[in-house]
Amino acid sequence: ETGVTQSPTHLIKTRGQQVTLRCSSQSGHNTVSWYQQALGQGPQFIFQYYREEENGRGNFPPRFSGLQFPNYSSELNVNALELDDSALYLCASSGEKQGNYGYTFGSGTRLTVV
Amino acid sequence: KQEVTQIPAALSVPEGENLVLNCSFTDSAIYNLQWFRQDPGKGLTSLLLIQSSQREQTSGRLNASLDKSSGRSTLYIAASQPGDSATYLCAVDNYGQNFVFGPGTRLSVLP
Repeated sequence: ETGVTQSPTHLIKTRGQQVTLRCSSQSGHNTVSWYQQALGQGPQFIFQYYREEENGRGNFPPRFSGLQFPNYSSELNVNALELDDSALYLCASSGEKQGNYGYTFGSGTRLTVV
Repeated sequence: KQEVTQIPAALSVPEGENLVLNCSFTDSAIYNLQWFRQDPGKGLTSLLLIQSSQREQTSGRLNASLDKSSGRSTLYIAASQPGDSATYLCAVDNYGQNFVFGPGTRLSVLP
């Protein structure tokens, strides 16, 4: 059983650019959530995808957008990058699995905006 | 709006001590609560998941309890080791929509 994998692990972008982060969910999981974790803080919910549809969104502007594919992998796109977008971006997958309704997190993508 | 707090923010203990990390949440209508460990610059590792109908879960030297009515959870670590040094995050699942995380407790276990 594979876990959640995220790519790339590190990324440096210039203010105003666009970025795409990728996430492969754990086998058997059909729900993917994205979180932003600024330095020294707990992760903040960005949005969740369930069976290719957005299923909830946190307090993030529209320049944060996402996609989920038929194999349940997912992308997070951020347009018009700002310095404050520098953070660790975490992807988590979940699915009904014999009583385990918890989430499995990936190792994250560290985004630095300069 | 669900809010999660964790006390203490940081903790430094000598190796071998038993310790308790605290988590409080404002809305008791939760689906489950999960404790995570995070090493510096890394992702989250799940430690224990407590369903809303459960009172506690145990894994090795770790024990987590949940009191929904008072909005509290504690993570008990027995016989702490230097390898336990990390940030511990408490997260509340609001019925599958999303996790609300606390700010974490940064633990240092000194040899």
